Amino acid sequence: NAGVTQTPKFRILKIGQSMTLQCTQDMNHNYMYWYRQDPGMGLKLIYYSVGAGITDKGEVPNGYNVSRSTTEDFPLRLELAAPSQTSVYFCASSYLATGSYGYTFGSGTRLTVV
Amino acid sequence: AQKVTQAQTEISVVEKEDVTLDCVYETRDTTYYLFWYKQPPSGELVFLIRRNSFDEQNEISGRYSWNFQKSTSSFNFTITASQVVDSAVYFCALSEVTTGNQFYFGTGTSLTVIP
Repeated sequence: NAGVTQTPKFRILKIGQSMTLQCTQDMNHNYMYWYRQDPGMGLKLIYYSVGAGITDKGEVPNGYNVSRSTTEDFPLRLELAAPSQTSVYFCASSYLATGSYGYTFGSGTRLTVV
Repeated sequence: AQKVTQAQTEISVVEKEDVTLDCVYETRDTTYYLFWYKQPPSGELVFLIRRNSFDEQNEISGRYSWNFQKSTSSFNFTITASQVVDSAVYFCALSEVTTGNQFYFGTGTSLTVIP
């Protein structure tokens, strides 16, 4: 039971570099999400997807891009890293919309931009 | 405006004490869902409970209990006879039917249980 798998667990980027945070789930969930957690704060939604080929912006999408070519994968792309993107990133999935069920979260990716 | 407020930033208790974590939410929806998640020092988020807006029955699960009161828009979480393993950050979250594709998280309450 892998659940939601995120890679890498830690990463240090220089300002202006790009990277992709990987997220894979093996539960055949339609809904997938990316959140960021800043120190001492709750989670804020970056992007979400309700199924393969469908993505939409959340509360804080600026500076990020996503794609959903398969049900299993939902990568998050940072094109030009900025210090403000230093955060812990969580991927999550759910079988139905969150109103009915809670999420299954990945273990997080701690990103530092210097 | 913050939809979920957890006014207690940090709480410290001595082991075996009871502790209540407060959560106040704001919504205009009549159908909504409330959640509690635990984030231990290892960093992962662990689902604890889900309640829908039509079920105000309090729930007990072992040492954990939840008090949902629509009249005060609160969904408080009590740990009875706290243990060191309860040390974590606890998040309350709201999901509305009208914006069903995201959670609104509170800022979390950091609980430290002192042995």
